[in-house]
Amino acid sequence: QSVLTQPPSVSGALGQRVTIPCTGTSSNIGAGYDVHWYQQLPGEAPKVLIYRAINRPSGVPDRFSGSKSGTSASLAITGLQAEDEADYYCQSYDSSLSSRIFGGGTKLTVL
Amino acid sequence: EVQLVQSGAEVKKPGESLKISCKGSGYKFVTSWIAWVRQMPGKGLEYMGMIYPDDSEITYSPSFQGQVTISADRSISTAYLQWNSLKASDSAMYYCARLGTLENWFDPWGQGTLVTVSS
Repeated sequence: QSVLTQPPSVSGALGQRVTIPCTGTSSNIGAGYDVHWYQQLPGEAPKVLIYRAINRPSGVPDRFSGSKSGTSASLAITGLQAEDEADYYCQSYDSSLSSRIFGGGTKLTVL
Repeated sequence: EVQLVQSGAEVKKPGESLKISCKGSGYKFVTSWIAWVRQMPGKGLEYMGMIYPDDSEITYSPSFQGQVTISADRSISTAYLQWNSLKASDSAMYYCARLGTLENWFDPWGQGTLVTVSS
C-alpha cells in the first residue's frame, strides 16, 4: 500500500475535464516536500508532467495543470484527448521513511 | 540532449546474479543523482534507491535495503543495479532516472530493462 494515495482509475469523455487526487500525510506533502507528477503511456517509460506541484516542463500542453493544498495535491486535465489515456503517478519525499515515494498510480480512460 | 540508455533485457534463473546498467550522456554525470525504480508486471512505480556518482553517496528505500546494490563508474558515466541471488519475484521492468541536485524530480528516464527470473 502506497504512502501517497491515488484512485486506481478515473475516466472522462473526450473534451471533458478530469482531476486526479494524490493524498499524503504530514510526513510528506503536508511537511512541504515537493510533489511531482509523471505520465506513463502504454508500453513506455514514465516522463515528468508537472514538477513542484504546479510547473509544466516545456512541451507539456497547458491542458495539464497541478495544484497542492495541505496534505494533498491534484492533477487536472482539461479538454481530454484520446492520447491522454495513460497511467499517472504522483511522487514526493517522506521524512518518516527518509525516502522518495510514489503514489499507487491512476489509470485514465478516455471514453 | 540529456539521455539515459539502459542495458538490454535479461533472462535469468533463480539464484543467479545480475548487474544491469544505465549510461548517462548530454550532461555532467557526476553532479546529478541516478535513481532506480521498479515496476512489476501490471503494477505501479516503486522507488528503490539512488547514487550520487561524484562521491558515491547511496541511499536506499527501506523496502529495498539489503536486497540490491547500487553502484556507479564515473569514468564511463554509468550507474548499475545489482543482485547477488535473484528470485522469481525480482521479475520486473527496472528504470533508471536522473535527479538533479536542485531539480528534485526524475527526468529524464531510461528506456527500462526487463528482467525475467524463471527456472
